[in-house]
Amino acid sequence: DAGVIQSPRHEVTEMGQEVTLRCKPISGHNSLFWYRQTMMRGLELLIYFNNNVPIDDSGMPEDRFSAKMPNASFSTLKIQPSEPRDSAVYFCASKNSGTPYEQYFGPGTRLTVT
Amino acid sequence: AQSVSQHNHHVILSEAASLELGCNYSYGGTVNLFWYVQYPGQHLQLLLKYFSGDPLVKGIKGFEAEFIKSKFSFNLRKPSVQWSDTAEYFCAVNSMDTGRRALTFGSGTRLQVQP
Repeated sequence: DAGVIQSPRHEVTEMGQEVTLRCKPISGHNSLFWYRQTMMRGLELLIYFNNNVPIDDSGMPEDRFSAKMPNASFSTLKIQPSEPRDSAVYFCASKNSGTPYEQYFGPGTRLTVT
Repeated sequence: AQSVSQHNHHVILSEAASLELGCNYSYGGTVNLFWYVQYPGQHLQLLLKYFSGDPLVKGIKGFEAEFIKSKFSFNLRKPSVQWSDTAEYFCAVNSMDTGRRALTFGSGTRLQVQP
């Protein structure tokens, strides 16, 4: 199994630009999570999906952030427009109902907004 | 709302020293508990987990953790650390009662093992 796949691994962009982060969960997993990691705030849940449906998006910082999961094998996290304070590592994780609450993390996308 | 506290933010040990990292959570109901490790430049990996049963849980690489319900704690231990254990360690909790599938993470403890 390839594990959770995220792309790009690194992204450097200028303030105001649109950023799209991508995630492919482990095949067969029915829940997908987006986390953000910063020095100041640690690991924060942004949003999670169950069976492609957003369940809890209370962690999404503001309207500039949006996430979609059009099918069971793909999700995107979009920031538009991006700001320097969005600089962080964004992790995607997935799980299935057979492993209650045990999540498998992707390698992360390191986003730098200048 | 549930929360997780890791009081040790940065720990420096010499090789062969014993390790104990503290983790306390706030939720009073039924919980699942986890320790994740993040090696430099890598993603989070599951170290060990507690769902039910024996409160002393053994994980990979010689790590263990003990769930003490009365103290709302799930401390991570290792009798003798190695230089390769240098990493950041995260405690996480999930409440069984709310059905919320997401994990709540602590702020992490950065462990530095000196050779």
